[in-house]
Amino acid sequence: KQEVTQIPAALSVPEGENLVLNCSFTDSAIYNLQWFRQDPGKGLTSLLLIQSSQREQTSGRLNASLDKSSGRSTLYIAASQPGDSATYLCAVPWGGNNDMRFGAGTRLTVKP
Amino acid sequence: DVKVTQSSRYLVKRTGEKVFLECVQDMDHENMFWYRQDPGLGLRLIYFSYDVKMKEKGDIPEGYSVSREKKERFSLILESASTNQTSMYLCASSIPNQPQHFGDGTRLSIL
Repeated sequence: KQEVTQIPAALSVPEGENLVLNCSFTDSAIYNLQWFRQDPGKGLTSLLLIQSSQREQTSGRLNASLDKSSGRSTLYIAASQPGDSATYLCAVPWGGNNDMRFGAGTRLTVKP
Repeated sequence: DVKVTQSSRYLVKRTGEKVFLECVQDMDHENMFWYRQDPGLGLRLIYFSYDVKMKEKGDIPEGYSVSREKKERFSLILESASTNQTSMYLCASSIPNQPQHFGDGTRLSIL
């Protein structure tokens, strides 16, 4: 069974810091990994999708990496801003029916 | 842009009531999903559908049913609401093997 873990559960940093969020998964037979952002009381917004053949994906100040063999992904946020404060979730496909397994998320607070 | 619309942002119901949560997507996606999200447990899949009138159980289908009569609409039904079904409910849609797009969620309280 695929299990997805995100550490830490919460993170607080001052504005301007670079930071890394971690995601690990137990079954490395995945074909992609997705990072989402969730603002309080809202749904999920897709940030980055990394295909299994890729090692990195970048979008603006965000960079996601994927190491399938070790079952790990990281989301790097450069020069963090208060507007980055949200919960960040990673998810991997599971089973043959487009199901996904989500981590519990990392709640990020960027202080001005 | 893909738009996934959930009919209610907040809903309060009483135990024993039959509750309907509606979700509509406007991009002709084959797949639609219902999740619930609880603190410390993350998102858990309740049901999904890969075509009209087709449905598959997810991880926690007990106490729920679904209906997909039209491709754009996927309804989640709580047959007899109970307090342990108080949660945030999220609907998503996708093309097969492509990223899922989420609605804004329905925060349901069962009193």
